[in-house]
Order: sequence, then structure tokens, then C-alpha cells
Amino acid sequence: QQQVKQSPQSLIVQKGGISIINCAYENTAFDYFPWYQQFPGKGPALLIAIRPDVSEKKEGRFTISFNKSAKQFSLHIMDSQPGDSATYFCAASRGAPDNNNDMRFGAGTRLTVKP
Amino acid sequence: GAGVSQSPSNKVTEKGKDVELRCDPISGHTALYWYRQSLGQGLEFLIYFQGNSAPDKSGLPSDRFSAERTGGSVSTLTIQRTQQEDSAVYLCASSPIYEQFFGPGTRLTVL
Repeated sequence: QQQVKQSPQSLIVQKGGISIINCAYENTAFDYFPWYQQFPGKGPALLIAIRPDVSEKKEGRFTISFNKSAKQFSLHIMDSQPGDSATYFCAASRGAPDNNNDMRFGAGTRLTVKP
Repeated sequence: GAGVSQSPSNKVTEKGKDVELRCDPISGHTALYWYRQSLGQGLEFLIYFQGNSAPDKSGLPSDRFSAERTGGSVSTLTIQRTQQEDSAVYLCASSPIYEQFFGPGTRLTVL
């Protein structure tokens, strides 16, 4: 079942611009929202993650904005660089008492940053 | 330290043959996942192992797919009687609790 919806499918941004990728989730039990970055031929790697007790988390040029009431979160890449060109996946999971950290992934966004 | 490793990195097989894909998780990680990623697509969940609990097999697409995890460590994904639609990258991830650490994947091509 599609529990995490991600948009857009692809995004082209000029160098120095802001890249914005959006995700929406359905299950209010989710309490961990990571973003993964995947380069061609590689496995996804954790980029940044947020928990619902904060509305924003920033690490360098990467910021997650989180809206609990709307069940939405987004990734902002400031001063986008050609090296940021990759596929980005949002995800959501819950930490149940039995430690069933079932994670649901969005469909991915292919970001291209033009020099 | 060592990350998640997968072998082989590439596998070409003929339709109808069986294949085994291996995943070596990060030592100490209790959770292990298998995903399938078709070209340009997202991550399709296949199976999840957590400690000694019964695995969550809800994502396996057919009974041709099976997986084992021996001794709470190494895992093998087996695809029997492969079909052309099985061609994809198979990713393994391990996790201590929340964050999933992915391996580089095995690219399977079924001719």
C-alpha cells in the first residue's frame, strides 16, 4: 500500500537554486522521517532525518520541514550544486514496542542540478 | 567500519534458472531488509527479519521468492525459476533500530 507519497518525480534546478521535494504520509503512528540520497550504481544513504517533536531540522545546506497536522514533510536543498544530482527518497517508520521498525519509502525524486 | 556488503554485484542468468543473492549486514544490527528496485523506480519492500522473530514476508511477490537469515547475521535471497520481470537491483539493508544502512545492491539480469 502507498503510505508515503512523494513529489515531484523529477526536478531540474539551476546551480545555486533551491531544490524542494515534498512528501505526505497517511499513518499517524509514524514517528521517524528520514531522507535518503542515492547515486547511480549505489545503495541509498541516509541524508537527514527528523522526528515529529520538531518542525524543522537543518544540516548544512539540507533542511527538513515537518508539518504534523498536515502529515507532510519536505526536503529543501539550498544553494544546489551539480554534485547534489541524485535520486532522493523520503521515508517514514514507527518504533513499536516490539521494535518493528517497518519503513515505508516514497517513490523517489530524480534531481538534476544544471551548472 | 565495514558497511553492508552484497554479492554478487552483478548476476546474469537465463530464464528458468534459480539464483541466490547474499547479504552480509553490519555486525550487531538486529534488523535486515530486502528491497527490489526496478530501473528508475522506487524501493519495493520484499522481506524483513528482526532478531529471532518470524520474518515479515508480506512483500514477496510470489512463492518463487524466499529468504533466510542464518544465525541472525548473513541473509540469502533465493529466486527460483527466474523470469524476465525479476530483472532489477536487489538491495539489502540492516538496521540497529531506525536508520537503515544499505548495501550496494546486486543487479540481476534475466535473459
